[in-house]
Amino acid sequence: DAKTTQPPSMDCAEGRAANLPCNHSTISGNEYVYWYRQIHSQGPQYIIHGLKNNETNEMASLIITEDRKSSTLILPHATLRDTAVYYCIVRAFNTGTASKLTFGTGTRLQVTL
Amino acid sequence: NAGVMQNPRHLVRRRGQEARLRCSPMKGHSHVYWYRQLPEEGLKFMVYLQKENIIDESGMPKERFSAEFPKEGPSILRIQQVVRGDSAAYFCASSPLGQGTDTQYFGPGTRLTVL
Repeated sequence: DAKTTQPPSMDCAEGRAANLPCNHSTISGNEYVYWYRQIHSQGPQYIIHGLKNNETNEMASLIITEDRKSSTLILPHATLRDTAVYYCIVRAFNTGTASKLTFGTGTRLQVTL
Repeated sequence: NAGVMQNPRHLVRRRGQEARLRCSPMKGHSHVYWYRQLPEEGLKFMVYLQKENIIDESGMPKERFSAEFPKEGPSILRIQQVVRGDSAAYFCASSPLGQGTDTQYFGPGTRLTVL
């Protein structure tokens, strides 16, 4: 799986949009971008994933650049409960065998009043 | 619709004892993954199991650790003769299909403390 690079930490004011970048310049054509978060030692929580098109769900939006070398997770209206470590993971599609998730160090997002 | 269940949530063992961690996947999921998170470190993959089969154990320590997912009942991660370095949070995840883009959903974890 391709390596990802994320800033170690970010701050965001409550109510504002949080934009979390991820660089995955060596991504292959069969690799998806996944985002998970971990709130204070709880189990990781799935947020969203995508291949090349932008994706949106009730939690967040995922914007993937046209060359797929980077992406941005957007939390449109951050709240204090969004304070967590956010992990960007690149994961290959393998028919027949699931691929493990390889977690990096992630971005520690601190949402403040 | 219950999520992934893990028990116990906290487990304390003395050095040399055995630890058994249980994971019940989400309803309809037949693929289970175990991850370990050492203090102040990231999550590391340990093992991937389907019912009655170990598919990928590339992250399992070579000794003292074993995992199973029987036809009936939860998946078990077993650690024999625990040492202080085994103290960590152990997370289980499950997925329905087991294919590459299958989303894994995590349980709350078991925090193992070895005295």
